[in-house]
Amino acid sequence: QQQVKQSPQSLIVQKGGISIINCAYENTAFDYFPWYQQFPGKGPALLIAIRPDVSEKKEGRFTISFNKSAKQFSLHIMDSQPGDSATYFCAASMTSGSRLTFGEGTQLTVNP
Amino acid sequence: DGGITQSPKYLFRKEGQNVTLSCEQNLNHDAMYWYRQDPGQGLRLIYYSQIVNDFQKGDIAEGYSVSREKKESFPLTVTSAQKNPTAFYLCASSIPNMDTQYFGPGTRLTVL
Repeated sequence: QQQVKQSPQSLIVQKGGISIINCAYENTAFDYFPWYQQFPGKGPALLIAIRPDVSEKKEGRFTISFNKSAKQFSLHIMDSQPGDSATYFCAASMTSGSRLTFGEGTQLTVNP
Repeated sequence: DGGITQSPKYLFRKEGQNVTLSCEQNLNHDAMYWYRQDPGQGLRLIYYSQIVNDFQKGDIAEGYSVSREKKESFPLTVTSAQKNPTAFYLCASSIPNMDTQYFGPGTRLTVL
């Protein structure tokens, strides 16, 4: 019940294309869903996050879509750039904020 | 500069030796976390601490130990009981009951 499943494991996109990464969760008590971006040799950094009271959140080229009934959420990167090449992790937690459960990660490569 | 520091960036140890990884933060956060990152497995929680002198086991605590004697410090000891210690270790901190976790740059431990 604590798992978060993420797909695909790796993704290659051409510059200017749309990158889509999907996550599914089991625990209905989760109510905070962040995405983290990690560059090689660095720690992850918060990219964007959503709570279940909205179905979509957009920040610049990054959008989270959330489907509460399906227990799924996804990250869309519009106009993907080579600088977006990184590993992306979805995560989930309960309001108490005591711990995050992470997906397995997606390695995104954006070709110039 | 405010942030989380981890040292050293790279650490090599012989099999059977205990090793301690440092994590220091000057963000005045009460909560701190240790994660282990392996390729294709995301971030797995080792230990976390919500307040000084208190900590809880995460999902993969076996073979690890921690202490939390000061608010700004949360060292992790990888003991000889950890069967496969070679990994990238990440420390994070947050304000309790707030969801965003801030990560340090990580320590790559290699056991020879």
